[in-house]
Amino acid sequence: NAGVTQTPKFRVLKTGQSMTLLCAQDMNHEYMYWYRQDPGMGLRLIHYSVGEGTTAKGEVPDGYNVSRLKKQNFLLGLESAAPSQTSVYFCATRLAGVYEQFFGPGTRLTVL
Amino acid sequence: GQNIDQPTEMTATEGAIVQINCTYQTSGFNGLFWYQQHAGEAPTFLSYNVLDGLEEKGRFSSFLSRSKGYSYLLLKELQMKDSASYLCAGDAGKSTFGDGTTLTVKP
Repeated sequence: NAGVTQTPKFRVLKTGQSMTLLCAQDMNHEYMYWYRQDPGMGLRLIHYSVGEGTTAKGEVPDGYNVSRLKKQNFLLGLESAAPSQTSVYFCATRLAGVYEQFFGPGTRLTVL
Repeated sequence: GQNIDQPTEMTATEGAIVQINCTYQTSGFNGLFWYQQHAGEAPTFLSYNVLDGLEEKGRFSSFLSRSKGYSYLLLKELQMKDSASYLCAGDAGKSTFGDGTTLTVKP
């Protein structure tokens, strides 16, 4: 089992470019989350999903969109990247009724 | 509000005991998480407290006082590999994280 995987691992964008980050899980977890982590700080929740076809805004949703068309995948989109979106992005999953979140390895995004 | 506060940095000696504190505003949280995050890696789950009191898991223990908005993580018999950031997070259906405490263990 791969657990939680994220694609890509690294990416450099120019201001205004768009991209999609993919989170995939093979654990059949209902809940999925996208966080960003800036240097020296904790994780901030961008968007989350409690099941296939559902999404909700987190703490810092502006500038991002998400989709959960399949239970195992959670996509995070940046339509027009800005330098303020330079960060490490973590995806996490959780089984309904269980507290522990399982994190992917992260995507390091730099926006020039 | 649900602000979470924890010290930015701590230093301790190998073999010693260290306590990392976390305070939060009491409204809104169902429980409190602790995660460990080594530099450049993803966070990994350590503990979740939903009831007041101390929960022990090997060398690590976590304590919660819901009425005081206070939690701590206790690490015993410190090892060099315990050097990491420790993140406190409140659970309100979705998690709110503190900025983390960077622990450095010295020989």
